[in-house]
Amino acid sequence: KQEVTQIPAALSVPEGENLVLNCSFTDSAIYNLQWFRQDPGKGLTSLLLIQSSQREQTSGRLNASLDKSSGRSTLYIAASQPGDSATYLCAASNDYKLSFGAGTTVTVRA
Amino acid sequence: GAGVSQTPSNKVTEKGKYVELRCDPISGHTALYWYRQSLGQGPEFLIYFQGTGAADDSGLPNDRFFAVRPEGSVSTLKIQRTERGDSAMYLCASSLSAGIRANVLTFGAGSRLTVL
Repeated sequence: KQEVTQIPAALSVPEGENLVLNCSFTDSAIYNLQWFRQDPGKGLTSLLLIQSSQREQTSGRLNASLDKSSGRSTLYIAASQPGDSATYLCAASNDYKLSFGAGTTVTVRA
Repeated sequence: GAGVSQTPSNKVTEKGKYVELRCDPISGHTALYWYRQSLGQGPEFLIYFQGTGAADDSGLPNDRFFAVRPEGSVSTLKIQRTERGDSAMYLCASSLSAGIRANVLTFGAGSRLTVL
């Protein structure tokens, strides 16, 4: 069974600082690794998807890396803004099923 | 529609009652998924449909939970004899297909269920 862990559980930074969010998974036979954003009481918004053959993906201020052999992914958010405050979830995909971590709750202080 | 639509957005019910949660996926998406998210946790897989049939229902916690997708579009998650432990956010997602490496799921806003 795929186990996904996210560290830290919560993070508070001043505006402008870069964010580094970590995700680890136990089964390296994944199809892809996805990062999602969740605002309080809301659904999930897909941020980035990294296929198993890729090392990283970038979208604007977001960059996600994937190291399948060590079972790790990292999400970098550059120059954080108060609007980046949310919970960030990573999910490892084995075929059609996603296994999620518990998330990292980020607060960006103005 | 433009996105995945879930109704109701909030449902409060009493222990022992029957509840239905509806999901309307993106038009043309053949794969549909239900996940359950308890407070402070990540979503957990419940069931996956490919077309009209449930291809994998291994995540349903017990036989009080059942889901249908009779015409391959809208899906309903049904919970009988609700218990307080069923309180959670129920998330629906859809995708063009499933089991492919570039499969991006689009999630709905969720249905928050509270069992008193």
